Amino acid sequence: AQTVTQSQPEMSVQEAETVTLSCTYDTSESNYYLFWYKQPPSRQMILVIRQEAYKQQNATENRFSVNFQKAAKSFSLKISDSQLGDTAMYFCAFMRSSGNTPLVFGKGTRLSVIA
Amino acid sequence: GAVVSQHPSRVICKSGTSVKIECRSLDFQATTMFWYRQFPKKSLMLMATSNEGSKATYEQGVEKDKFLINHASLTLSTLTVTSAHPEDSSFYICSARDGTGGPQPQHFGDGTRLSIL
Repeated sequence: AQTVTQSQPEMSVQEAETVTLSCTYDTSESNYYLFWYKQPPSRQMILVIRQEAYKQQNATENRFSVNFQKAAKSFSLKISDSQLGDTAMYFCAFMRSSGNTPLVFGKGTRLSVIA
Repeated sequence: GAVVSQHPSRVICKSGTSVKIECRSLDFQATTMFWYRQFPKKSLMLMATSNEGSKATYEQGVEKDKFLINHASLTLSTLTVTSAHPEDSSFYICSARDGTGGPQPQHFGDGTRLSIL
């Protein structure tokens, strides 16, 4: 079974600064997908960024980027130029590439961006 | 992009009532949908996998007679909380994946906040 660990329950960052959220996972699969989802107070689940395990290049989406270390099974999220609207719960998630399988979520990190 | 619609967004009802929650994929067909439950300040917990035209697969510890799932079409899955009690109060959220292969992400509904008095 796969597990996802987010070791930082809460973090805070000053507006315009950079913050990195940690995520590690455990799996015996060789190919899979990793995601970061954002859940603001409205509780919508919003996809932030995705990474395919067979791709060595780290994914980037505007101010969001990941540091994917496959050997270490690490998938951290870096948020640059933090904005007040980035305040939310952030969930790291794993999904097997074969079949139509559910996401396995970490426990989440609550990020507060401070003005 | 793909959109998943979940209805209702909020339900308040008396203990003993059965509550039905709908999850629709609006612009794609979903042979599989997933139902999650989320307690306050906690992560999403998978309850069951809903399969079109067949029985749902429930996670360990989830009562299938309490949480009835029906996936009668390629765009609709329903979750019925039967004879709901206060301990069933929670945030329920569904997701579906556009099954065209590749790293397609799960698309989530906006969730249903269920409060049982």
